[in-house]
Amino acid sequence: ETGVTQTPRHLVMGMTNKKSLKCEQHLGHNAMYWYKQSAKKPLELMFVYNFKEQTENNSVPSRFSPECPNSSHLFLHLHTLQPEDSALYLCASSQEDRGKTDTQYFGPGTRLTVL
Amino acid sequence: AQKVTQAQTEISVVEKEDVTLDCVYETRDTTYYLFWYKQPPSGELVFLIRRNSFDEQNEISGRYSWNFQKSTSSFNFTITASQVVDSAVYFCALIIQGAQKLVFGQGTRLTINP
Repeated sequence: ETGVTQTPRHLVMGMTNKKSLKCEQHLGHNAMYWYKQSAKKPLELMFVYNFKEQTENNSVPSRFSPECPNSSHLFLHLHTLQPEDSALYLCASSQEDRGKTDTQYFGPGTRLTVL
Repeated sequence: AQKVTQAQTEISVVEKEDVTLDCVYETRDTTYYLFWYKQPPSGELVFLIRRNSFDEQNEISGRYSWNFQKSTSSFNFTITASQVVDSAVYFCALIIQGAQKLVFGQGTRLTINP
């Protein structure tokens, strides 16, 4: 595998379900991100992890719970979602060094539908 | 706060035509980076180019070229001799030095018709 991979690619869930999205990066990066892409809105940053530590939460509702066990893996745990949470969830990674802003590389996304 | 505007929501051209995608940005920071990403129907955001605010030199890569003008806060993208495979949504994005939040424009859906 190369680049950034995400599973599953498609997910349909009810509002009472609990599911998880998985992201894995094979680029040796130390930072990982979750972005949300809704039909009517620009891409929005949700969470940032640096060296496994969460450094940014962009006012995301608690029904979204991220987890970063190591620099290569990132999860997004979902529970009690709403239909308006239906979107494409994109994972990205980058190599962040002090004073340097790196390019973020994205995975193929998980298309989530909440019924 | 930063902002990126892609005024063209959709563009449709016939194959082999040249097409320019516009991007205008706003930031008060002096050091920042601009990006273009391509999103084909598969959904993945494919990185195309990165430019820092101190490098206004235009860039050409094959049929793709980028025109960065700080005077007008624009970072436009031109595809020469377009092909059907260029059909996708294209996003312009901005990030300021030291930050990790990419600010995206709304995207331009480009359709190349055979």
